[in-house]
Amino acid sequence: AQSVAQPEDQVNVAEGNPLTVKCTYSVSGNPYLFWYVQYPNRGLQFLLKYITGDNLVKGSYGFEAEFNKSQTSFHLKKPSALVSDSALYFCAVRDMRSGNTGKLIFGQGTTLQVKP
Amino acid sequence: DAGITQSPRHKVTETGTPVTLRCHQTENHRYMYWYRQDPGHGLRLIHYSYGVKDTDKGEVSDGYSVSRSKTEDFLLTLESATSSQTSVYFCAIRSGEATEAFFGQGTRLTVV
Repeated sequence: AQSVAQPEDQVNVAEGNPLTVKCTYSVSGNPYLFWYVQYPNRGLQFLLKYITGDNLVKGSYGFEAEFNKSQTSFHLKKPSALVSDSALYFCAVRDMRSGNTGKLIFGQGTTLQVKP
Repeated sequence: DAGITQSPRHKVTETGTPVTLRCHQTENHRYMYWYRQDPGHGLRLIHYSYGVKDTDKGEVSDGYSVSRSKTEDFLLTLESATSSQTSVYFCAIRSGEATEAFFGQGTRLTVV
């Protein structure tokens, strides 16, 4: 079965420190992977994606993610966290069984708390 | 924000009543999706559309129906609302060429 796991419900980090939000996936074939962020009472905003190519992808707001095929992971990272990064983060993978329908399978979400 | 408008943004309804949520896009994108967001589950796909009058079921479609009579509008209907359908509902759109989807602001539905 295809799935996405975010093993941490919450990640706490001090402002200025590096942050990592973890994501592992299970999907047949080559995965299309995504990170979205949700600020309180807002919709999901697209951060970045991995489709093919360089394993380190860069996205919005200084975030980046590293694709690791052998570990089936796609961890979200940022070198220096900001208080304003505090939000709910979702990892998602495209359902590759369904052609180009673009259906997404989401992880359960990780709350990032950045403290001053 | 992508040109997506969900309405209403908030709704409280009684068990057993029908409810329709609307998603309107101004991007002329082919694909439209309805997801529900629940704590501990992330987002789960309810239904999606790949063109006018072309729709299909997602992971959690029981109790929901959809319609797409125009490219810009995708309606989600709860025929007879139940408390288990209390959730936040998100619409998303995607062009045929793009890999990523863009989401609306969400509709918070409470069934009492």
